[in-house]
Amino acid sequence: DAGVTQSPTHLIKTRGQQVTLRCSPKSGHDTVSWYQQALGQGPQFIFQYYEEEERQRGNFPDRFSGHQFPNYSSELNVNALLLGDSALYLCASSLQGTHGYTFGSGTRLTVV
Amino acid sequence: GDSVTQMEGPVTLSEEAFLTINCTYTATGYPSLFWYVQYPGEGLQLLLKATKADDKGSNKGFEATYRKETTSFHLEKGSVQVSDSAVYFCALIKRSGGGADGLTFGKGTHLIIQP
Repeated sequence: DAGVTQSPTHLIKTRGQQVTLRCSPKSGHDTVSWYQQALGQGPQFIFQYYEEEERQRGNFPDRFSGHQFPNYSSELNVNALLLGDSALYLCASSLQGTHGYTFGSGTRLTVV
Repeated sequence: GDSVTQMEGPVTLSEEAFLTINCTYTATGYPSLFWYVQYPGEGLQLLLKATKADDKGSNKGFEATYRKETTSFHLEKGSVQVSDSAVYFCALIKRSGGGADGLTFGKGTHLIIQP
């Protein structure tokens, strides 16, 4: 049974560009959350998607946006990249109403 | 807002030593509490959890008790192994009205076990 799959594994972008990260949830899960983990820090909650809608959002600017598809997979988009957006981006899936989160291995984004 | 504070690392111990990683939290209401572990190059894995006061979570020899009076959830293990070397994160979550929740994490504690 596949867990959470994220792609790509690593990514290098130039400041000002846009990036899209992808996440496939664990089988049976219907909710996807995204987190940003800066080097040496704990993950910070970006937002959560359920039923193709953003349900809750952390303290991140509108440059961060997302989408959830009917098959529950999700995308995270970041516009106008800043050097400070360099981080590990983690996707976590769960079944709505439960706190059984499964995390993916993340996408390492480097902005140069 | 909600917050989680963990002891700063790195924590270096010898194999078979006793481990304690302190975690305290600030939150309104009654959060659920978690410990996650992150091995190099990997995502987070749930280690244990507790959902109400006085609950004890346990897994793989690790334990933590939800102490509401001291707002703490300290992680303990009686005898650590080299394979326990990793970064450990304490986290909390609260139920919101819409049922959609985000985890609040501490900064993590890097544990190094020497043979």
